[in-house]
Amino acid sequence: GAVVSQHPSWVICKSGTSVKIECRSLDFQATTMFWYRQFPKQSLMLMATSNEGSKATYEQGVEKDKFLINHASLTLSTLTVTSAHPEDSSFYICSARAGIYNEQFFGPGTRLTVL
Amino acid sequence: DAKTTQPPSMDCAEGRAANLPCNHSTISGNEYVYWYRQIHSQGPQYIIHGLKNNETNEMASLIITEDRKSSTLILPHATLRDTAVYYCIAFKTSYDKVIFGPGTSLSVIP
Repeated sequence: GAVVSQHPSWVICKSGTSVKIECRSLDFQATTMFWYRQFPKQSLMLMATSNEGSKATYEQGVEKDKFLINHASLTLSTLTVTSAHPEDSSFYICSARAGIYNEQFFGPGTRLTVL
Repeated sequence: DAKTTQPPSMDCAEGRAANLPCNHSTISGNEYVYWYRQIHSQGPQYIIHGLKNNETNEMASLIITEDRKSSTLILPHATLRDTAVYYCIAFKTSYDKVIFGPGTSLSVIP
């Protein structure tokens, strides 16, 4: 199957700083990418959907000014958590879908810890 | 997307078949049934999907009832590495967003 990578795999930052997480589709062009977050012992929660070259569509309750998403190319999407706080600590997972495939391919996730 | 319901947890003996059920009674005609799994602290992994015919691949088999209101994921010979949360999701082939429910936590027991 297709491969999606995320960088970094884990990050620790101080409260108030911003953190950028990259999501790359390595062997296919992703017309659509999705960002999820997952708290311990909970399911994945969709945060936003982004199509290449367009503004991201955020789910209800997700602050678009806090979670900045950029999908500038067909192989790269970035999520920036601005002014991070301890409650933003979570497992962030991206996924990518190519136009010709039905299934989404998921990245390995990024563990964010805000101190 | 059609809502799906799954049992919260299941156990399976190692080497035996694991049969994971999923109800999707409100599924529409153009919605596929997808199965993913998530091993602890990893991203979800695609397993299999189908529309109305049964499907099989190297990982699993998917049995969809004739009325498409339910399906079963079958892992033919479960191993300890199959311990994971399994998600059954229904969505269309277009640019639908994938919404995860709570899934089924499968424990494969030695």
